Amino acid sequence: AQSVTQLGSHVSVSEGALVLLRCNYSSSVPPYLFWYVQYPNQGLQLLLKYTTGATLVKGINGFEAEFKKSETSFHLTKPSAHMSDAAEYFCAVRLTGANSKLTFGKGITLSVRP
Amino acid sequence: GAVVSQHPSRVICKSGTSVKIECRSLDFQATTMFWYRQFPKKSLMLMATSNEGSKATYEQGVEKDKFLINHASLTLSTLTVTSAHPEDSSFYICSAKSSDWTGNSPLHFGNGTRLTVT
Repeated sequence: AQSVTQLGSHVSVSEGALVLLRCNYSSSVPPYLFWYVQYPNQGLQLLLKYTTGATLVKGINGFEAEFKKSETSFHLTKPSAHMSDAAEYFCAVRLTGANSKLTFGKGITLSVRP
Repeated sequence: GAVVSQHPSRVICKSGTSVKIECRSLDFQATTMFWYRQFPKKSLMLMATSNEGSKATYEQGVEKDKFLINHASLTLSTLTVTSAHPEDSSFYICSAKSSDWTGNSPLHFGNGTRLTVT
């Protein structure tokens, strides 16, 4: 079985500052990894994903994440926060089998201060 | 890109009544749809997996008689909350995967339904 740990429930940064949202996973085999963003009262939107290949993955809205197998991590970063980045962010993992389920972390709320 | 439409976005109902939530794949055929429940400030909890033309598979602890799922076509799955109670108030989100879905593809999510039971 796989699991996802997102430490902390809330991150607050100033506009223009670096955004770092942490995600660690536990899996018996290298999984597929995803970051989703959720705006209030909306569904989830895919930011980026790692499956195979290059470990540094670039996504939408200037976000990127790096898969580090040795650290079992998939932290999400953005060099410069924008007010519109304020939202809930979920890290998710699934195994490579076609019928495996998507497991979500508990999510992190990102606030951006003017 | 693949679009999943969920309806209604908000619903308020009285305790004891039933509510139906629809999840539609607009531009692809969804052989499998997933229903999630999200509590405030909490992660998404998978409730059930719905396969077109067959019975849904429920996660442990989810009452199948209370949360009825129907996936009668390749583009539509419905979740009916029967005899709703205030504790059923929550945000329900569906997601779908297409028939040509590959293992590394992301799921596509609907925009969710905010259910309030008074």
